[in-house]
Amino acid sequence: EAGVAQSPRYKIIEKRQSVAFWCNPISGHATLYWYQQILGQGPKLLIQFQNNGVVDDSQLPKDRFSAERLKGVDSTLKIQPAKLEDSAVYLCASSSPGTADFNSPLHFGNGTRLTVT
Amino acid sequence: AQSVAQPEDQVNVAEGNPLTVKCTYSVSGNPYLFWYVQYPNRGLQFLLKYITGDNLVKGSYGFEAEFNKSQTSFHLKKPSALVSDSALYFCAVKSNYQLIWGAGTKLIIKP
Repeated sequence: EAGVAQSPRYKIIEKRQSVAFWCNPISGHATLYWYQQILGQGPKLLIQFQNNGVVDDSQLPKDRFSAERLKGVDSTLKIQPAKLEDSAVYLCASSSPGTADFNSPLHFGNGTRLTVT
Repeated sequence: AQSVAQPEDQVNVAEGNPLTVKCTYSVSGNPYLFWYVQYPNRGLQFLLKYITGDNLVKGSYGFEAEFNKSQTSFHLKKPSALVSDSALYFCAVKSNYQLIWGAGTKLIIKP
């Protein structure tokens, strides 16, 4: 099966600019996650979608970050305006939903490395 | 507060020797435990999980992990390390619908 696709792989922007990341999950996976991974740290969940509905966005800085998952497939994460501390790798992941698959593993894309200067 | 600890930032092992990467957790209720591996410039890959049953679970690439309820640990092990096992390893625990991640352990296997 094709894996989780993310683009771009790398992005360099200046602070106060805006940026968008795109993710295409594995076909049939209804649950989609966006994580932020700062160098030397574990992944931090930004937002979780179930189909096109938001399940958890408690750690999403909503004053500057936004995400959408139109039609319950592809997703876009946007930062506007960016700050220096947003420099990180942004990982998209997907998993199968359902009670039986509650503990199904996450499948990650290769991530987008964002550098804010 | 719920947490996952990986007490070693880095583990160095000679090729062919057994390896252990440690993970301990503090969560309420029954935990569901996972190990993931991250190679340079790549996303995380699932290695193995413990949900219930036998305390020793086997996963990808010859890795296994032992669940110890009394010590609240889930250490990752491999009998004979390969240079290609060098990577960043993350332990994660699912509790109350939340997935809690450790900070990661860098594993270096020397030829």
